[in-house]
Amino acid sequence: AQSVAQPEDQVNVAEGNPLTVKCTYSVSGNPYLFWYVQYPNRGLQFLLKYITGDNLVKGSYGFEAEFNKSQTSFHLKKPSALVSDSALYFCAVRDGPNDYKLSFGAGTTVTVRA
Amino acid sequence: DGGITQSPKYLFRKEGQNVTLSCEQNLNHDAMYWYRQDPGQGLRLIYYSQIVNDFQKGDIAEGYSVSREKKESFPLTVTSAQKNPTAFYLCASSIGGHSSYEQYFGPGTRLTVT
Repeated sequence: AQSVAQPEDQVNVAEGNPLTVKCTYSVSGNPYLFWYVQYPNRGLQFLLKYITGDNLVKGSYGFEAEFNKSQTSFHLKKPSALVSDSALYFCAVRDGPNDYKLSFGAGTTVTVRA
Repeated sequence: DGGITQSPKYLFRKEGQNVTLSCEQNLNHDAMYWYRQDPGQGLRLIYYSQIVNDFQKGDIAEGYSVSREKKESFPLTVTSAQKNPTAFYLCASSIGGHSSYEQYFGPGTRLTVT
């Protein structure tokens, strides 16, 4: 069975500082990894994904994530956070091409203070 | 949220009543999904469908039913057998099959049962 852990319920940073949201995963095969963002009372918006290739993937709104196979991690990063980045962030994993299901972490609430 | 509509945005029902949540997509996606979101628990998969007239139970299907008579539509019925129906319900779609494509989410329906 696949699973995702987001060890921090909340992350607080000052505007302009680097932002990191942590994610670790467990799958039996090759992981397909995704990050989504959710604003209050809205659906989820796709940010980026790792399927194969370069371990550093770049996505929307200046976000990037680094895949680390040995640590089974896929942390989301942004070099300089904005107040508008304040939202709920979800990491999700799929067990390669043979599993249709996404498993989501519990989410991390990011607050960026001005 | 582009391409996926969910209606209504807010729904109120009395306990013991069945209620149907609408999900429509115009993305020509084969696969559609229903998730339930509760605070602090991330998203949990209720049902998914990879093709018209076929669907599978997810992790928490008890008390729910679905149909997939058209490619564009995947309605979810919350039955009176669902013990804790009050939640935020999200519909998603993807190109489907053995692909690495991300899921796209609708804006959600917040169901309150009293």
